[in-house]
Amino acid sequence: LAKTTQPISMDSYEGQEVNITCSHNNIATNDYITWYQQFPSQGPRFIIQGYKTKVTNEVASLFIPADRKSSTLSLPRVSLSDTAVYYCLVLSGGYNKLIFGAGTRLAVHP
Amino acid sequence: DSGVTQTPKHLITATGQRVTLRCSPRSGDLSVYWYQQSLDQGLQFLIQYYNGEERAKGNILERFSAQQFPDLHSELNLSSLELGDSALYFCASSARGTSGTDTQYFGPGTRLTVL
Repeated sequence: LAKTTQPISMDSYEGQEVNITCSHNNIATNDYITWYQQFPSQGPRFIIQGYKTKVTNEVASLFIPADRKSSTLSLPRVSLSDTAVYYCLVLSGGYNKLIFGAGTRLAVHP
Repeated sequence: DSGVTQTPKHLITATGQRVTLRCSPRSGDLSVYWYQQSLDQGLQFLIQYYNGEERAKGNILERFSAQQFPDLHSELNLSSLELGDSALYFCASSARGTSGTDTQYFGPGTRLTVL
């Protein structure tokens, strides 16, 4: 299983762009990179998923370089409501079980 | 709202007791997953069911068991409860659960407190 490493915490201000980088050096050919967001006492919420290059949806963008050993979640113009824990996961194997790390605790300040 | 429902929302019980947590997946989803989130262990995968059959097992204790019924709802049974079992228990569902791209949708969780 590919292990992920991401910063424990980050701080930002409203209106700024936030980039959270995750490293996954042992990612396998068939693995996908997925990001989840979790607010206190709520279930994780799927944000975005990608395999390579760039993926964008209405919430975020995901940048994956050619070697796929890292990925960057980009949140444009964050607001106070984006304060949450963000988890980077690599989906391995055929059973789709999610292995959560410690995540990145993002604090957005006014 | 993810479409996944869990009951009860809160549960307070005593050590040694047994409880049952219930999960209804999103309409059409065949896979159900159970996760435990405690302060010291983070989010941990417990078990997955696909269309009524156990498909994958994680760090689930022998005191814990689960099943998925023909209508696809699932129950997680926790017995001989200990103080350390106090945690948030999340259920998630996905359409299939057989592919790395299958998105999991999480329910609101059940907060279990063992006194």
